[in-house]
Amino acid sequence: AQSVAQPEDQVNVAEGNPLTVKCTYSVSGNPYLFWYVQYPNRGLQFLLKYITGDNLVKGSYGFEAEFNKSQTSFHLKKPSALVSDSALYFCAVRDTGSNYQLIWGAGTKLIIKP
Amino acid sequence: NAGVTQTPKFQVLKTGQSMTLQCAQDMNHNSMYWYRQDPGMGLRLIYYSASEGTTDKGEVPNGYNVSRLNKREFSLRLESAAPSQTSVYFCASSEAGGVGTGELFFGEGSRLTVL
Repeated sequence: AQSVAQPEDQVNVAEGNPLTVKCTYSVSGNPYLFWYVQYPNRGLQFLLKYITGDNLVKGSYGFEAEFNKSQTSFHLKKPSALVSDSALYFCAVRDTGSNYQLIWGAGTKLIIKP
Repeated sequence: NAGVTQTPKFQVLKTGQSMTLQCAQDMNHNSMYWYRQDPGMGLRLIYYSASEGTTDKGEVPNGYNVSRLNKREFSLRLESAAPSQTSVYFCASSEAGGVGTGELFFGEGSRLTVL
């Protein structure tokens, strides 16, 4: 079965430190991978995607993600965290059986402390 | 540019009542989606419309109906609400080609409580 796992419910990071939000996936075929962010009481916003090509993908707000095929991972990273990065982060992968369905992780709450 | 607009933002229903959530997008997108978000479960697709005139079931369609009224509007109807439908509902849209090549644009959500 296809799935996405975000193993950490919450990640705490001090402002200015690097951050990593983890995501692993299980799909057949080549994965299309996505990261979205949700600020309180708002809809989700697209951060970045991996379809093919360079394993390091750069996205919005200084975020990047590294695709690792052997480890089936797509971790979200940022070199220096800001308090404003505090939000809920979702990893998703396209369902290889449908171009219109995404399989979503449960989300990771990122808290950046001043 | 409003993007994706959902109404209402909040609604409280009694078990058995019906209601319709409205969604409109002004980005000329072909595809539209309805998701529900429950704590600790990520998002689950209820229905989607790949293009005007078509609708398809997603992961959790039971208890819901949808209408793609035109290219801009995609509504979600609960005919007989149940407490299990208490959730936050999100409408989203994407350009032609679905989610495979592009990003989803989300509305701000509709928080529904069924008593």
